[in-house]
Amino acid sequence: SQQGEEDPQALSIQEGENATMNCSYKTSINNLQWYRQNSGRGLVHLILIRSNEREKHSGRLRVTLDTSKKSSSLLITASRAADTASYFCTITQGGSEKLVFGKGTKLTVNP
Amino acid sequence: DAGVTQSPTHLIKTRGQQVTLRCSPKSGHDTVSWYQQALGQGPQFIFQYYEEEERQRGNFPDRFSGHQFPNYSSELNVNALLLGDSALYLCASSFVSRQNAEAFFGQGTRLTVV
Repeated sequence: SQQGEEDPQALSIQEGENATMNCSYKTSINNLQWYRQNSGRGLVHLILIRSNEREKHSGRLRVTLDTSKKSSSLLITASRAADTASYFCTITQGGSEKLVFGKGTKLTVNP
Repeated sequence: DAGVTQSPTHLIKTRGQQVTLRCSPKSGHDTVSWYQQALGQGPQFIFQYYEEEERQRGNFPDRFSGHQFPNYSSELNVNALLLGDSALYLCASSFVSRQNAEAFFGQGTRLTVV
């Protein structure tokens, strides 16, 4: 499959805990992006990490990329109930700018 | 700064009918892409428009067509609707000159075909 595959499919944690979700892919990439989707509505862009980068931070979010293992992880620290959403990783490859999505990780943060 | 806006938000159509969905890109963006998201799935790429031309297309039949206007806004048309076309349709905009830059999505149009 050319798409990113998120793991786990579902994750349930308590407020204040950290949440880690992973993304694996099978081809070389230009970049990898993480998006959040609340209640089946629009996608909110979280972080873009380029193939020559290894780690990026944005607020409570930390993304790592290991191109040798063709994998990425998204860490959300000190989670909040408002972080409850589906999280998708998406990749771009070669000269294409289309985004290829997996099925996402459904995160539930319990108050 | 208005983000990506889509209209309508919800739509119910009958099998065999035709539908037009609309998208206005984020200010400064010149490229619009459309995605179909079935329930419980990730979005699937339909096509991308730049300079009023279809630049890239995903694995969707010819019943799916689009258009981009000089002001960069875009329409997605679906003919001969099938029950399986029921989905959330998402529009994303980006700036083509910034290759592989972030794409920003609208809130989507929920299409139900009955």
